[in-house]
Amino acid sequence: DAKTTQPTSMDCAEGRAANLPCNHSTISGNEYVYWYRQIHSQGPQYIIHGLKNNETNEMASLIITEDRKSSTLILPHATLRDTAVYYCIVRVAINFGNEKLTFGTGTRLTIIP
Amino acid sequence: ETGVTQSPTHLIKTRGQQVTLRCSSQSGHNTVSWYQQALGQGPQFIFQYYREEENGRGNFPPRFSGLQFPNYSSELNVNALELDDSALYLCASSLRHDSGANVLTFGAGSRLTVL
Repeated sequence: DAKTTQPTSMDCAEGRAANLPCNHSTISGNEYVYWYRQIHSQGPQYIIHGLKNNETNEMASLIITEDRKSSTLILPHATLRDTAVYYCIVRVAINFGNEKLTFGTGTRLTIIP
Repeated sequence: ETGVTQSPTHLIKTRGQQVTLRCSSQSGHNTVSWYQQALGQGPQFIFQYYREEENGRGNFPPRFSGLQFPNYSSELNVNALELDDSALYLCASSLRHDSGANVLTFGAGSRLTVL
C-alpha cells in the first residue's frame, strides 16, 4: 500500500472549514484514499473514501487531485467535537488477502472555540 | 444495528502472563481484524480472520494468536507478555464484498498494561 504524508498538527477556528491535506505521490491506479479519525480514548471512525472523483457525505468532502498524488479532507463547519487525530490511508481496492489498513501518525486537528 | 464491542476495557497483567481479549462484531459483518496501538502511534495491523481462519498477518510474533467463532465474534490471545505489549488493542469488523471498498468499524478498544 502507498505511503502517505500528513502534517503533524493543525488548528481550525470553530465554525470554519477545516482542510486537511494528504500527500500520496506513489499511489497506484487501483488504490483508494480513505480517511478515518480517532477521537481521544475511542477507536478510529470511518469518514469517507474515494478513488478518482471528489466525494461528499454527511460528515465531510474529499477532494482528490487529477493526478491523484494528493487529496484534501474538508470538514465544512468544524465543531469542537471534530477535535481528533485524522488518518489518511491508501490501499488497494480489492485485496482478498486481507483488509489491512496501514495507519501513519496522522494529523492532530484541534478546533479552537 | 449494534456496533463493535470489546472486553475488557482495561486490564493489568505482569510480564510472562497470558491475556485474552474479546470482540463482538457489528451485526452483519463477517470479517474481524485486530490492531495494536501504542501510545502516540497509529494503529498497527496484527491479523485478520475470515470464515474462522487467519487471513492475513502483520509483523507480530506467533505468541499473538486469535480465533474467530461461527457467530463472527473473535478473541485475541497474547502469551508470555512483555512490557512492550502495553497498548490499546482495537478490534474492527467489516463485511467482505466484491465492490472493493473496505470500511472498518472499530470498537473502543481494550487497554492493556503490562507491569
